Amino acid sequence: GAGVSQSPSNKVTEKGKDVELRCDPISGHTALYWYRQSLGQGLEFLIYFQGNSAPDKSGLPSDRFSAERTGGSVSTLTIQRTQQEDSAVYLCASSLRTDQETQYFGPGTRLLVL
Amino acid sequence: GEDVEQSLFLSVREGDSSVINCTYTDSSSTYLYWYKQEPGAGLQLLTYIFSNMDMKQDQRLTVLLNKKDKHLSLRIADTQTGDSAIYFCAESISDYKLSFGAGTTVTVRA
Repeated sequence: GAGVSQSPSNKVTEKGKDVELRCDPISGHTALYWYRQSLGQGLEFLIYFQGNSAPDKSGLPSDRFSAERTGGSVSTLTIQRTQQEDSAVYLCASSLRTDQETQYFGPGTRLLVL
Repeated sequence: GEDVEQSLFLSVREGDSSVINCTYTDSSSTYLYWYKQEPGAGLQLLTYIFSNMDMKQDQRLTVLLNKKDKHLSLRIADTQTGDSAIYFCAESISDYKLSFGAGTTVTVRA
């Protein structure tokens, strides 16, 4: 595709429900990143993929958060048993590879947990 | 350290120059970036500078880097209403990880 796409663009859910957020990276990009942007704050690194493997999951806030990537392309970020503090914008980015390649961002998914 | 700091707000008159400042902590950062985020949108890469450079100019944008003071600035010449957005400074702290500041909200007034 022309750019990184994410779906849904907005998600409202009830506390305790599970949510899945999807990211389609730029075609050919081997590296994929997930960030979280809370209101009035910068971006918080969550996890990155090189191919289908995730060498660094250190940014995931709790074991309720997980992510996978299949076929070296699409990635899904899953939040189980959502809490109100999970409300944020979840941004995905991709780059041709790691090694400080420029990261290109998607529009984000705005998650609101009621 | 991984702290990137920016002032939170900047108000500028249309046609004037905007200067957004940023300080970072990781002296080993190879690249430093400026991203722009318009309301409801993701981050758009504006420009970046390699750490062995002092300055980079790209049309209306000028990036200045002072490695000694770990200070990065973005100057926007002839600021337009379309420049109203949040601007994020980011440093590369590893091969794959970027550390972002909290963003500077730039408001352009007529």
